[in-house]
Amino acid sequence: TQLLEQSPQFLSIQEGENLTVYCNSSSVFSSLQWYRQEPGEGPVLLVTVVTGGEVKKLKRLTFQFGDARKDSSLHITAAQPGDTGLYLCAGAFSNYQLIWGAGTKLIIKP
Amino acid sequence: DAGVIQSPRHEVTEMGQEVTLRCKPISGHNSLFWYRQTMMRGLELLIYFNNNVPIDDSGMPEDRFSAKMPNASFSTLKIQPSEPRDSAVYFCASRAMDHEQFFGPGTRLTVL
Repeated sequence: TQLLEQSPQFLSIQEGENLTVYCNSSSVFSSLQWYRQEPGEGPVLLVTVVTGGEVKKLKRLTFQFGDARKDSSLHITAAQPGDTGLYLCAGAFSNYQLIWGAGTKLIIKP
Repeated sequence: DAGVIQSPRHEVTEMGQEVTLRCKPISGHNSLFWYRQTMMRGLELLIYFNNNVPIDDSGMPEDRFSAKMPNASFSTLKIQPSEPRDSAVYFCASRAMDHEQFFGPGTRLTVL
């Protein structure tokens, strides 16, 4: 059974602080996606990482794919209240199947 | 583009009743996914259609669940009879070729 462990499950920090969310697996993925989901809405894709060791930046968000393509991290610098939401990672191992992490509920307090 | 459209947004029903959830994918997308999201189990893929054909329905919980895609612009997920443990948010997502999945706003189902 392929699993994608996401941590932490919940994180509440003050505006301006930095944070990192992790996704780990024993399986190798062809790519890994990060989504953000807000209450009452569906997940929205933030980024897809494909190459081992790849680093992508989206403003204050930095995404990294592990060298072995088994793990990934999301780092947010100087978090803002607008970053509040549920962050989900999903590993792809076929042209349609995604293995989803359980999600990290992030709250940024003003 | 209106994005993926789902209806209803909220559904409250009693155990034993039939529930039908509807989805209109983004025009031009050839893949459609039905997901279920709960606190306990997170996001689970229920069924995947490609060019209106069901490719993988291994995630459908049991025979009470059925899904159809009669044409490229419409899909339904039906639960008959519904049970309290079916309470969840059901998402439809569509995709063009191997590109990203676009999710609808979801249907929050409560079975009493």
